[in-house]
Amino acid sequence: DVKVTQSSRYLVKRTGEKVFLECVQDMDHENMFWYRQDPGLGLRLIYFSYDVKMKEKGDIPEGYSVSREKKERFSLILESASTNQTSMYLCASNSSPTPTGITDTQYFGPGTRLTVL
Amino acid sequence: LAKTTQPISMDSYEGQEVNITCSHNNIATNDYITWYQQFPSQGPRFIIQGYKTKVTNEVASLFIPADRKSSTLSLPRVSLSDTAVYYCLVGQRMNYGGATNKLIFGTGTLLAVQP
Repeated sequence: DVKVTQSSRYLVKRTGEKVFLECVQDMDHENMFWYRQDPGLGLRLIYFSYDVKMKEKGDIPEGYSVSREKKERFSLILESASTNQTSMYLCASNSSPTPTGITDTQYFGPGTRLTVL
Repeated sequence: LAKTTQPISMDSYEGQEVNITCSHNNIATNDYITWYQQFPSQGPRFIIQGYKTKVTNEVASLFIPADRKSSTLSLPRVSLSDTAVYYCLVGQRMNYGGATNKLIFGTGTLLAVQP
């Protein structure tokens, strides 16, 4: 069974702290994604990675960085957490699309609800 | 980038068929249309995907007209457990050396099923 796991379901941090959110997938997927989800704004892509050590900015990368040292693991880093980063963070993974462009299903983890005080 | 527009919310009763329409006027030739379902406190999960005409699986049907500028997700005989947010997405291929697709999530449609 497909599985994407995230290190914490709930996390509370203080302003200025460095925060690590970990995501692990067991499907040997090339691509991994970090989204944040806020009421009224839907899911917004922060960063994605298409291979080990490779990363690309999504729509809202400011204030975040990522790390992918192993294929199965993708980390989201908040260098100095701020209150406006309080949100639900979702990790996802999928395989690369076929040459004809068929989009593979993205498999999501359960999410981490981060509160920054 | 192709943006999608869906109703913010819909109400239904158990046993009814529900149709949720999504517009995507700027869909590109190689984009597929995908629908996801999200329950509270969970990540979204895949429901159905299509390119044109009609696709059906054990959960839903997807209707796509010839111009592909819209699509309709059809849920037959909904139950209380179908209460969730439904997202319509179109895939965008990234312009770089990799081969991933970027999916654009909108705000989704909150479907509330009542007894």
